Amino acid sequence: QQQVKQSPQSLIVQKGGISIINCAYENTAFDYFPWYQQFPGKGPALLIAIRPDVSEKKEGRFTISFNKSAKQFSLHIMDSQPGDSATYFCAASEEGGSEKLVFGKGTKLTVNP
Amino acid sequence: DAGVTQSPTHLIKTRGQQVTLRCSPKSGHDTVSWYQQALGQGPQFIFQYYEEEERQRGNFPDRFSGHQFPNYSSELNVNALLLGDSALYLCASTNGGWGNQPQHFGDGTRLSIL
Repeated sequence: QQQVKQSPQSLIVQKGGISIINCAYENTAFDYFPWYQQFPGKGPALLIAIRPDVSEKKEGRFTISFNKSAKQFSLHIMDSQPGDSATYFCAASEEGGSEKLVFGKGTKLTVNP
Repeated sequence: DAGVTQSPTHLIKTRGQQVTLRCSPKSGHDTVSWYQQALGQGPQFIFQYYEEEERQRGNFPDRFSGHQFPNYSSELNVNALLLGDSALYLCASTNGGWGNQPQHFGDGTRLSIL
């Protein structure tokens, strides 16, 4: 049973455009929702994270939107750059983040120059 | 400040063999988790070690075992290797206790089973 569903599987965006990746979860005990960025040959790197007591969190060009009632959250990348081309994973965990992370299947983002 | 380090970076084994992977956590971290990432998939949680004990375990068979040492470093052992064990094995570390601490990942060990 996949507890975190991520879409789309792949995404192509032009430089300067907005990239949007969506995730949905089932377990209402989840209380920590991070996004990780992974480049080929590297491990996942924490990008930004949100807790369910806020509906939006912004860090630079990256924004997480969170809808607790719909059990959905999304990552928005503003002014997308070719250097943002990577695979993005949403994840969720209970107990604030130090517990096991449940990952989505990933979205491969390509930003064309 | 060194991040999470894993060794070796690549490993080739044959079916039925045993393998040991190693992880040193980020400085100041005392909790280590292991994940398996199959090609084109998201990481899947194997288990977590805290205070030298397995604290949580995912849906992996007993062929997967681990250990944490007093210096917080950790090993992942896999016995009786199967072709399906071919994957990137990731180690993540965080501060101990419960809650509010993000996990930081190493670059993984790429394990290939022939």
